[in-house]
Amino acid sequence: GESVGLHLPTLSVQEGDNSIINCAYSNSASDYFIWYKQESGKGPQFIIDIRSNMDKRQGQRVTVLLNKTVKHLSLQIAATQPGDSAVYFCAENKSGGSYIPTFGRGTSLIVHP
Amino acid sequence: ETGVTQTPRHLVMGMTNKKSLKCEQHLGHNAMYWYKQSAKKPLELMFVYSLEERVENNSVPSRFSPECPNSSHLFLHLHTLQPEDSALYLCASSQDLPISSSYEQYFGPGTRLTVT
Repeated sequence: GESVGLHLPTLSVQEGDNSIINCAYSNSASDYFIWYKQESGKGPQFIIDIRSNMDKRQGQRVTVLLNKTVKHLSLQIAATQPGDSAVYFCAENKSGGSYIPTFGRGTSLIVHP
Repeated sequence: ETGVTQTPRHLVMGMTNKKSLKCEQHLGHNAMYWYKQSAKKPLELMFVYSLEERVENNSVPSRFSPECPNSSHLFLHLHTLQPEDSALYLCASSQDLPISSSYEQYFGPGTRLTVT
């Protein structure tokens, strides 16, 4: 079936490095994508989103890249900090379809000081 | 904080108990959601309410019963649960449906439920 998934369940980086978290999706009709961050003991928190008519969107220290050709989404975190340690989820939604996004399993980002 | 609160934060219950989870949003949103988060599994949507009306029910067992008395409050009533129901139950809200860049979901901290 169509699904959203992540390539790596755990990513370990050194403080100050850049982090890249990847996500593959299989629903070619998806046109809206979201990245969430979930810290321990908290609910998911919206980070950044991107529509399918864009291939890049930047926020504060984060960049989301969308490659529709290979149905791949990535989240780049610049100068990763210990506070970035969390589980990161991608989610996809198809405009006009179910209005609830489909979530991936999540990647655990561990930042070492 | 996100403006979405959940109580209790932790709950241990036996299989014959009846309990309720409460969610309250202080954001003036019109849509509210219940999700189940189990270890190593994606978030599972359980129920969706828009303007106090249920709009989606994802084949959730009847031992889970939602209630939305007004647009700010959402309950999940639990009875005769199974150990496999142990999970983190997350409430979320959004301004309206559908989800779009204008209507991001705001999640509460969740209720950690353990069924013994």
